[in-house]
Amino acid sequence: AQSVTQPDIHITVSEGASLELRCNYSYGATPYLFWYVQSPGQGLQLLLKYFSGDTLVQGIKGFEAEFKRSQSSFNLRKPSVHWSDAAEYFCAVGVGNTDKLIFGTGTRLQVFP
Amino acid sequence: DAGVTQSPTHLIKTRGQHVTLRCSPISGHKSVSWYQQVLGQGPQFIFQYYEKEERGRGNFPDRFSARQFPNYSSELNVNALLLGDSALYLCASSPGVGVSNQPQHFGDGTRLSIL
Repeated sequence: AQSVTQPDIHITVSEGASLELRCNYSYGATPYLFWYVQSPGQGLQLLLKYFSGDTLVQGIKGFEAEFKRSQSSFNLRKPSVHWSDAAEYFCAVGVGNTDKLIFGTGTRLQVFP
Repeated sequence: DAGVTQSPTHLIKTRGQHVTLRCSPISGHKSVSWYQQVLGQGPQFIFQYYEKEERGRGNFPDRFSARQFPNYSSELNVNALLLGDSALYLCASSPGVGVSNQPQHFGDGTRLSIL
């Protein structure tokens, strides 16, 4: 069965520090992978997606993610975190010919000044 | 252009009642999906509708139902509410069907509280 694991429930970083959020997936075929961000009381905003091709994907707000098939991972990175990046981050895998997304449990990012 | 709009924003119900949540997709989007997000968890897929037909259903009881109207707006209905139905209900729209038609655009959700 398809699944997504985000091992880190809560991460705290200082403003200006680099960031890496981990995501591992389980999916039988070529995965469609996504990272979404959710600010308190709001819906989900797409940061980036991977369908095929270049395994390093650039997204909005300076985020990037790298698809590693051998490790079943799709980790999100940012070289320098801003206080406004504090939010909940969700990794998701898309399923077949539907719009169904399977989400991980999320990682809450806290940024200290 | 307006994004995905959901109403109401917040709702309080008691156990056993019925609730209807509404979603208007982005103009031109024909697919609407519903997700349930329990506090501290990731969203879970409930339904997808495309061109007024159900195209996908998650692992939810029959108390949950939905429909899509000719203008592509959608309603999610939940009968016989349980305490465990307390959650943020998210609606997402996309132009067509299939993950290649992503990204899905999400609304800000309806916060449902069951007393």
